[in-house]
Amino acid sequence: DAGVTQSPTHLIKTRGQQVTLRCSPKSGHDTVSWYQQALGQGPQFIFQYYEEEERQRGNFPDRFSGHQFPNYSSELNVNALLLGDSALYLCASSGDSIYGYTFGSGTRLTVV
Amino acid sequence: GQSLEQPSEVTAVEGAIVQINCTYQTSGFYGLSWYQQHDGGAPTFLSYNALDGLEETGRFSSFLSRSDSYGYLLLQELQMKDSASYFCAVKDRDDKIIFGKGTRLHILP
Repeated sequence: DAGVTQSPTHLIKTRGQQVTLRCSPKSGHDTVSWYQQALGQGPQFIFQYYEEEERQRGNFPDRFSGHQFPNYSSELNVNALLLGDSALYLCASSGDSIYGYTFGSGTRLTVV
Repeated sequence: GQSLEQPSEVTAVEGAIVQINCTYQTSGFYGLSWYQQHDGGAPTFLSYNALDGLEETGRFSSFLSRSDSYGYLLLQELQMKDSASYFCAVKDRDDKIIFGKGTRLHILP
């Protein structure tokens, strides 16, 4: 049973560029949440998707946007990249279980 | 605002017991979770407390006191592989999970 898969694993972009990160949730999970994790910090909530709609959003600017597809997979888009956007981006999926999120291994984004 | 406070670092000896504390202040509360993250890896779910008291899963136990907005993770019979960062996390009234900044656990042989 595949867990959460994210692609790509690593990415280097230039300031001002745009990036798209992808996530396939664990089988049976219908909710996808995205987190940004800076080095040495805890994951910061970006937004959550359920039934193809953004259900919750954290304190991130509109440069961060997302999408969920009918098969529950999701994309995170970041426009006008800043150096401060360099981080590990984690995707987490969940269903109706109380047992928390299943995280993917993340995409390491470096903005130069 | 919402916040979770936990120590930034804890050091313990292999074979010993260590406790990692967490206090929280959130808009609504629907359970306290703990996650483990090794360097370069993904956070992995360890435990969940919705009600007051102690939950035990093998060498790991987690405790919650809702009246004190406090919980802890207890790791027994420490092994070198337990060296990692540990995050407490709270599900708030908007059904999103908020994470603390993490506690880095160092284990000495």
